[in-house]
Amino acid sequence: DTGVSQDPRHKITKRGQNVTFRCDPISEHNRLYWYRQTLGQGPEFLTYFQNEAQLEKSRLLSDRFSAERPKGSFSTLEIQRTEQGDSAMYLCASSLASGQNTEAFFGQGTRLTVV
Amino acid sequence: GNSVTQMEGPVTLSEEAFLTINCTYTATGYPSLFWYVQYPGEGLQLLLKATKADDKGSNKGFEATYRKETTSFHLEKGSVQVSDSAVYFCALFYGGSQGNLIFGKGTKLSVKP
Repeated sequence: DTGVSQDPRHKITKRGQNVTFRCDPISEHNRLYWYRQTLGQGPEFLTYFQNEAQLEKSRLLSDRFSAERPKGSFSTLEIQRTEQGDSAMYLCASSLASGQNTEAFFGQGTRLTVV
Repeated sequence: GNSVTQMEGPVTLSEEAFLTINCTYTATGYPSLFWYVQYPGEGLQLLLKATKADDKGSNKGFEATYRKETTSFHLEKGSVQVSDSAVYFCALFYGGSQGNLIFGKGTKLSVKP
């Protein structure tokens, strides 16, 4: 297993277009997180899944954002009608959900630029 | 709610200087605490962790002690190197049915030769 992988690494899109990002977690990990990171800030939580169930969504996740994890393995994050304010690094992480003693492993991220 | 507060950077030190990056948290219950590091151009990596009060996490010469009485998890290193230049993030994980990992805003460290 090569760790958490995200695709694409970079995306440039015009305002108003839809974009979709993919995350492949570490295979045995049942928990998957999405974060957004802007320059000079820490990762901001967007949503997370345990297996295929989406258990929590941040208020940052407007109705233009949707995430899925249909088979409890890979996940997609879609942004509809992109806005310039959506420009950020989108990070995916995975972990085991084994009580408190769990480590989240992060992917390299997808850098989105909305022009 | 649960939150993490870190000292603002950037922090600039000379090689072999002593490093402290302060981190305090607010949480219900008993979270686990982490320090993550992000080197230039790379993803986030776990540096160290502590899962209960008075635990000390350590790795690569860095240490942090989980202090429940002061709700703190300060990162320290006795002698920094140029290769330690990175952004450091304090984070907490709270479990239960809605377990989640939340981060501080990060502290950029620059170490000069």
